[in-house]
Amino acid sequence: EPEVTQTPSHQVTQMGQEVILRCVPISNHLYFYWYRQILGQKVEFLVSFYNNEISEKSEIFDDQFSVERPDGSNFTLKIRSTKLEDSAMYFCASRRVNEKLFFGSGTQLSVL
Amino acid sequence: AQSVTQPDIHITVSEGASLELRCNYSYGATPYLFWYVQSPGQGLQLLLKYFSGDTLVQGIKGFEAEFKRSQSSFNLRKPSVHWSDAAEYFCAVVGESGTYKYIFGTGTRLKVLA
Repeated sequence: EPEVTQTPSHQVTQMGQEVILRCVPISNHLYFYWYRQILGQKVEFLVSFYNNEISEKSEIFDDQFSVERPDGSNFTLKIRSTKLEDSAMYFCASRRVNEKLFFGSGTQLSVL
Repeated sequence: AQSVTQPDIHITVSEGASLELRCNYSYGATPYLFWYVQSPGQGLQLLLKYFSGDTLVQGIKGFEAEFKRSQSSFNLRKPSVHWSDAAEYFCAVVGESGTYKYIFGTGTRLKVLA
């Protein structure tokens, strides 16, 4: 089965630093998503992206967050100035029209 | 607003015993429902999904789930649990926005006793 690939699997950063989480969605997928899961809590929607623009975002996705599809294959999530509470597992997902989401294995972000 | 409730935070069963994980949803129309499993340090793997049609859905790894509209439930079942089934299980519903925003439950952590 095709896979969504996320790198790195674990990222450690200092508070206030910028981080970029990288994802390679499945090649013929058109819709892209970021979710996050704070330890011990449920998986939460952050943002959806289609046709090179954000189609929906949650209240978590404030001005510190941005997403980009810089080329035909990558989909990135940038956090401009990380906070301790940004520590979480971040999942990328993608899908085709009217089909289920495929999730990546996640990037564990630790903000110190 | 859409929501998903998984009433059981932890469940412990013996290997070989049957399993039922509960999921209740709140949704205005016919929902799209999913069960995902997350093993330690792993991502989210889809076990099964319900879009329409037969209310008893078969999934991977011997799991099944039954959609009951009258009870707003989508409980996950397995007749005989294996030690490798120990993981966290998430129920999810697709939100009403039309953008396929998944709403997840808080998860049920399954422990399997040898």
